[in-house]
Amino acid sequence: QVHLKESGPGLVKPSETLSLTCDVFGSSISSGYYWGWIRQPPGKGLEWIATIYHSGSSYSNPSLKSRVTISVDAAKNHFSLKMRSVTATDTAVYYCARVVVVVDPDLYYFDYWGQGTLVTVSS
Amino acid sequence: QSVLTQPPSVSGAPGQRVTISCTGSNSNIGAGYAVHWYQQLPGTAPTLLIYGDINRPSGVPDRFSGSKSGTSASLAITGLQAEDEADYYCQSYDNSLSGLDVVFGGGTKLTVL
Repeated sequence: QVHLKESGPGLVKPSETLSLTCDVFGSSISSGYYWGWIRQPPGKGLEWIATIYHSGSSYSNPSLKSRVTISVDAAKNHFSLKMRSVTATDTAVYYCARVVVVVDPDLYYFDYWGQGTLVTVSS
Repeated sequence: QSVLTQPPSVSGAPGQRVTISCTGSNSNIGAGYAVHWYQQLPGTAPTLLIYGDINRPSGVPDRFSGSKSGTSASLAITGLQAEDEADYYCQSYDNSLSGLDVVFGGGTKLTVL
């Protein structure tokens, strides 16, 4: 059974860097799947942040790209997110997920999600 | 303002059929990109409900079905049950000037009366 679990500080100060890790269980991070981060501000909808393949090839939301770094550690079977210069608007539940990507036909969806971790940006 | 537009809320009585629309444009759904649906029960993470427009993952009841036409997609739920009360999100690709982007609808809250 595939299981993902996010970890990281629940409180980050404005202008600092948010750092989260997603541990993957039941699926090798070096398999044919991609791995991604999605966030959800309190009471609001979902927003895709970034996606990475075990090769290191990554893609980010154009609106967040300048502040986001996503990385993968195959040896530890986990992947990570760093978001720089955070503000209160970055307060959200952050989810990691396994991403199914198929080229033909074009498919891109999140089939397994972590439970999410709330990150609050406040001084 | 989400790239994919969903109604904020829908409701129905137990046993009834409800549909949730997801309206996009020629840069996403209308371009042929697949639509996927997620269910988010209160206080929990989203789970995959429909993928590739019409396909159900193993374990999802056949009361849930997806369809797509033109620049819109729909999720239908028949035989509504109390446990279906949740938020529902559609998701697709968007190929705009800023590049290929993964986009979600704003979400629809389903209330079972």
